[in-house]
Amino acid sequence: AQKVTQAQTEISVVEKEDVTLDCVYETRDTTYYLFWYKQPPSGELVFLIRRNSFDEQNEISGRYSWNFQKSTSSFNFTITASQVVDSAVYFCALSEGDSSNTGKLIFGQGTTLQVKP
Amino acid sequence: GAVVSQHPSWVICKSGTSVKIECRSLDFQATTMFWYRQFPKQSLMLMATSNEGSKATYEQGVEKDKFLINHASLTLSTLTVTSAHPEDSSFYICSASIAHTQYFGPGTRLTVL
Repeated sequence: AQKVTQAQTEISVVEKEDVTLDCVYETRDTTYYLFWYKQPPSGELVFLIRRNSFDEQNEISGRYSWNFQKSTSSFNFTITASQVVDSAVYFCALSEGDSSNTGKLIFGQGTTLQVKP
Repeated sequence: GAVVSQHPSWVICKSGTSVKIECRSLDFQATTMFWYRQFPKQSLMLMATSNEGSKATYEQGVEKDKFLINHASLTLSTLTVTSAHPEDSSFYICSASIAHTQYFGPGTRLTVL
C-alpha cells in the first residue's frame, strides 16, 4: 500500500531560522514521483517540486532545498532563513509511475508552518 | 506556465439547489483532471478522476449521482453538486495533470444554507 507520512503537524519558528519538514513514504513501485506543495491561507496549492524515483540528487532552489533518500524512504524539505511569507501548510505527496498510473496523488496530512516575525 | 483556473471562487446556495464548478487549464491541455474536497485543517481528499471524453472514475464512498463530473474538452472539467445540502459545504479544489505533475486551481468554497 502507498502511504505518505508527515509526522510534524505544526511547526513554529522565528523568522530567519532554518526549518526542515519531514516526509516519509511507502510504496512497492520502483518507479514513482514525489512532490511538495505549499498551501498558503488563500487556499491554492502551489507546486514546489517533483522528483522521480531514479533521481536522488538533492535540489536547491533559492532558500528551499530538498533531500531525497531512498534508503530511508524520505523526502525532506528545508527552508533556510525562513520568512513570514513562508507561513503555510506544506503537503508532501506520492504518485506511482506504472503504465496504468492515472497520476493519482497520495497526500500526507500536511505540516502547518508558522513563521513569526 | 501550467495555470489552472477555477470558477467560482466561492458560492453560497440554498439547500436543494445544484451548483456547478468549472476547472480550466489555461495554457496547456489536460487529458486528466482531478477533483478534491478539503475540510478545515485536513488534507485533500480525492473525489474523482476526470478523463476527457470518458466517464469519470469516482473514489470509494463518493456518490456519482450527487457529484456529477463532465470533462468535455482538454481544457475544461466541471463538477456539479446536485441537490446540495449543508454537509456538502466544503472547499473543492481541482487539478490538471501534465507531465506527471498536477497543477491546482485556486479552489471553490461552497456554503450550503
